[in-house]
Amino acid sequence: QKEVEQNSGPLSVPEGAIASLNCTYSDRGSQSFFWYRQYSGKSPELIMSIYSNGDKEDGRFTAQLNKASQYVSLLIRDSQPSDSATYLCAVTYTGANSKLTFGKGITLSVRP
Amino acid sequence: NAGVMQNPRHLVRRRGQEARLRCSPMKGHSHVYWYRQLPEEGLKFMVYLQKENIIDESGMPKERFSAEFPKEGPSILRIQQVVRGDSAAYFCASSQGYSNQPQHFGDGTRLSIL
Repeated sequence: QKEVEQNSGPLSVPEGAIASLNCTYSDRGSQSFFWYRQYSGKSPELIMSIYSNGDKEDGRFTAQLNKASQYVSLLIRDSQPSDSATYLCAVTYTGANSKLTFGKGITLSVRP
Repeated sequence: NAGVMQNPRHLVRRRGQEARLRCSPMKGHSHVYWYRQLPEEGLKFMVYLQKENIIDESGMPKERFSAEFPKEGPSILRIQQVVRGDSAAYFCASSQGYSNQPQHFGDGTRLSIL
């Protein structure tokens, strides 16, 4: 069974710090990787997508993908209280159409 | 508003009634996905549809649940004879359909069963 694990959390960091969120996945046939942010009671909001090994930066966010080790991470630089939310890692798999398999999420709290 | 539109935002049903959840995809998207989020749990895939076709329903419960995406109009997720365990947030997402294309989510329907 294809699984996406987000085992660390909840995570608390002070304002201005770097928050590091990690995700591992079980199937080497994984194809595309996404990070979503979900505020309490709201819908998931796409913040990053990454498809090939290496780093991808967008503003304060950097996604890192390592297919050999089967992990994907999200770094949030200069964390702000408004970044406090649950971060969901999602994966699509080759041959599984384009449905997303989600991890359970990591709750991030940024302390002012 | 060119985003994914879901209605109703909140739906209350009594046990045994039917629930109908609607979703209109983002403009330019022809692929619709339904996910369910139970309290304190992650998002789980239910069904993937294109116009007039169910592509993958591997996440749908075998009984009481059905989905459609007609040629005209929104996609509908239908739950017959609802039970308390159906209480959850149901999210619809849309995309252009390729696995590397991000899915964008609607605001969801919060279903409560009395």
